[in-house]
Amino acid sequence: EAGVVQSPRYKIIEKKQPVAFWCNPISGHNTLYWYRQNLGQGPELLIRYENEEAVDDSQLPKDRFSAERLKGVDSTLKIQPAELGDSAVYLCASSSPLAVASYEQYFGPGTRLTVT
Amino acid sequence: AQSVTQPDIHITVSEGASLELRCNYSYGATPYLFWYVQSPGQGLQLLLKYFSGDTLVQGIKGFEAEFKRSQSSFNLRKPSVHWSDAAEYFCAVGHFGNEKLTFGTGTRLTIIP
Repeated sequence: EAGVVQSPRYKIIEKKQPVAFWCNPISGHNTLYWYRQNLGQGPELLIRYENEEAVDDSQLPKDRFSAERLKGVDSTLKIQPAELGDSAVYLCASSSPLAVASYEQYFGPGTRLTVT
Repeated sequence: AQSVTQPDIHITVSEGASLELRCNYSYGATPYLFWYVQSPGQGLQLLLKYFSGDTLVQGIKGFEAEFKRSQSSFNLRKPSVHWSDAAEYFCAVGHFGNEKLTFGTGTRLTIIP
């Protein structure tokens, strides 16, 4: 079974430029999460999707961040414009819709963003 | 609100020695508890989980953890560490009805020969 796929793995951009990250969850997982992990910290949830619906985006900085999950499978997270403080690892995770398994999240390798 | 504290930022252990990583959580009801491991440049891999039942849970790679409600703790243990166990370890808490996980700040494990 393929795991969560993310691309790109690394991205270096100048501040004020836009950037986008892509995530393909594990097949059959209807819940998708985007996390941001700052250096030396644990992941922090940005947004959670149940199928196509964003059910928790309370931590998403909506002035510059946006996300979409068309057709309830792949998802894209965008930052426009990027700021120096956005440098971090962006992690995507997914979970199964089945009972307590829905609380087990499986993570992709992440995208390391560096804003210069 | 739920929260997690990992009091040890960095731990160094000799190969073959035993290991215990501490995790304390804050949540009013019964929590769901997780340990994840993150190797350099990698995502997080689930080591083990606790939902209910037996308070001693076994995970992958020879790890186990014990849920102690009275101490609000979920410490991770391994009887004999291997050099490949060097990584960052994260404890996380969730609860029934909300799949949102709150992570601790992590403990970096270094293994010395």
